[in-house]
Amino acid sequence: GAVVSQHPSWVICKSGTSVKIECRSLDFQATTMFWYRQFPKQSLMLMATSNEGSKATYEQGVEKDKFLINHASLTLSTLTVTSAHPEDSSFYICSARDLTGGSSGANVLTFGAGSRLTVL
Amino acid sequence: AQSVAQPEDQVNVAEGNPLTVKCTYSVSGNPYLFWYVQYPNRGLQFLLKYITGDNLVKGSYGFEAEFNKSQTSFHLKKPSALVSDSALYFCAVRDGLKGTYKYIFGTGTRLKVLA
Repeated sequence: GAVVSQHPSWVICKSGTSVKIECRSLDFQATTMFWYRQFPKQSLMLMATSNEGSKATYEQGVEKDKFLINHASLTLSTLTVTSAHPEDSSFYICSARDLTGGSSGANVLTFGAGSRLTVL
Repeated sequence: AQSVAQPEDQVNVAEGNPLTVKCTYSVSGNPYLFWYVQYPNRGLQFLLKYITGDNLVKGSYGFEAEFNKSQTSFHLKKPSALVSDSALYFCAVRDGLKGTYKYIFGTGTRLKVLA
């Protein structure tokens, strides 16, 4: 089945530095990927929709200059947290839809394992 | 606007007993409904979905869910709970209107199965 790989799983950085998180679809092409942020004991908050070859669509309240998204190929989207601060510490999860299985499978999101960011 | 509600933060059930995790939704078009499970420090794993067809949907690990249009609900059920079912469960909805690919997740329900 469809597999989404997310890297790194854990990252600790100093305040003011930038961190890049990668999301790869391993066995399918994903024209669209989604980035979520999950706070402790809370739901997933959709941050942005990453579109291959074009600009990402950000949700209301999400700073696009803070959370840079690049979807340069059909299998890779990256999220860069720029000038990270402790309040950016969170669990970031990406997901994608595998369209190769037809409409039935296309509606199912496949998630990466998540990346836990800790900003000191 | 689409929304999902999971009214229970936590559900406790004894092993071997049936379990129900509740979910209600609101969309303007036809609902595409999903259940996902999350284990600690992991991404979400797909359990089952309702797109169209039979209201009772069977999914992975013995879970099933019933779509009830009049009550706008999509409760997750399992006839006999296992300790290994203990995890965080998310209900999600996507508006079936063409061109809308946004998935909205509920706040999650922590299921604890007691041995």
